Amino acid sequence: QSVLTQPPTVSGAPGQRVTISCTGGSSNIGAGYGVHWYQQLPGTAPKLFIYGDTNRPSGVPDRLSGSKSGTSASLAITGLQAEDEADYYCQCYDSSLKSVVFGGGTKLTVL
Amino acid sequence: QVQLVESGGGVVQPGRSLRLSCAASGFTFSSYGMHWVRQAPGRGLEWVAVIFYDGSVKYYADSVKGRFTISRDNSNNTLYLHMNSLKTEDTAVFYCARDRGSGTAYYFDYWGQGALVTVSS
Repeated sequence: QSVLTQPPTVSGAPGQRVTISCTGGSSNIGAGYGVHWYQQLPGTAPKLFIYGDTNRPSGVPDRLSGSKSGTSASLAITGLQAEDEADYYCQCYDSSLKSVVFGGGTKLTVL
Repeated sequence: QVQLVESGGGVVQPGRSLRLSCAASGFTFSSYGMHWVRQAPGRGLEWVAVIFYDGSVKYYADSVKGRFTISRDNSNNTLYLHMNSLKTEDTAVFYCARDRGSGTAYYFDYWGQGALVTVSS
């Protein structure tokens, strides 16, 4: 059971908008620690897509955006493309566990 | 460009030891904290350990505390993970990753390709 909760799967048609939620608690997201998002294509290493809740590293398209409110965060992808099909993980720090924590991951399927 | 290349993975029996290495290039290794993150087959990501830029501070996940040791050699731009008393549940791909956060706001901006560790009798 992951400290951060993500839906196991989400799906959408090309061109649509999807969101992936990440729900934590008062010792991680709710404590103000930044939420970070990674994309993992099959058989490859994770890649940073969003850091510090809302920031995109250079090279990440602006179709992706992050947000945070209370004890939850979200990753939104607009104009869905086939290349977006991957696993997505949220990550934060937990002050009670004194540990980095990840969500369980969400598999995005482009229909 | 930043490169992280893990090595040392393989098949090992339960209770035995193994050392992973991560060779870093393309950046000033001695200026960055470094992490190990693992992923069991078909499972999600699990943080393992962090070492500060100068090796002065190390933290571990509870699941590996007392069995794994993270270390670094800044003169050779290499990160290590010494794993003792390995268990079958340690079977995973182990990634080294560069830390880009500040304080405890850890996050990982570059990852290696991963090294597979299989613990089996």
